[in-house]
Amino acid sequence: EVQLVESGGGLVQPGGSLRLSCDASGFTFGPTWMHWVRQAPGKGLVWVSHIKGGGRRTSYADSVKGRFTISRDDAKNTLYLQMNSLKAEDTAVYYCATDGAYALHGWGQGILVTVSS
Amino acid sequence: QSALTQPPSASGSPGQSVTISCTGTSSDVGGYNSVSWYQQHPGKAPKLMIYEVTKRPSGVPDRFSGSKSGNTASLTVSGLQAEDEAAYYCNSYTASDSWVFGGGTKLTVL
Repeated sequence: EVQLVESGGGLVQPGGSLRLSCDASGFTFGPTWMHWVRQAPGKGLVWVSHIKGGGRRTSYADSVKGRFTISRDDAKNTLYLQMNSLKAEDTAVYYCATDGAYALHGWGQGILVTVSS
Repeated sequence: QSALTQPPSASGSPGQSVTISCTGTSSDVGGYNSVSWYQQHPGKAPKLMIYEVTKRPSGVPDRFSGSKSGNTASLTVSGLQAEDEAAYYCNSYTASDSWVFGGGTKLTVL
């Protein structure tokens, strides 16, 4: 069974940084493409970033490009999202998810990031 | 990366069918058979219901079906049940090697 557990969220000031982690188990992590998706309070789902198996190719939503970096450590079965220059509008629950046939099959429970002074 | 267009709300009585639309462009919905649909109950993580336009993951009832015509994809829920009341989101892979969600549709079972 796919299990994804996010951690690293919390309260951060505008302009600050935070690194989210997503610990994966129950499947072969290395070749699996992975995503980050976020959801602001009371709002809809927004795709944030994607990384292919092996970590050689990544993509980002325009709203986070140049500020967020997705990465993975296949030895630790862990996905990361480094978030810099955070803004109030980055406040959201962040989910990690597995990719299969360009769809997001398995989801974590989500972690809240709050950007506020 | 504009969001796909979904109606904000939809409703139906138990046992009825309801269809939710998702309109994009030729660079996303119309250009790829990589449209997926997600169900989200309040306070819960999303759940994949449909992928590759028409395919259902194991465990998803066959009351849920998907289709696509041109730049518009659709999710049909047949035989509505109380537990189907939730928010539904469409998603598509895009020509920019990115993904985009729709704004979401709140389905109410009357």
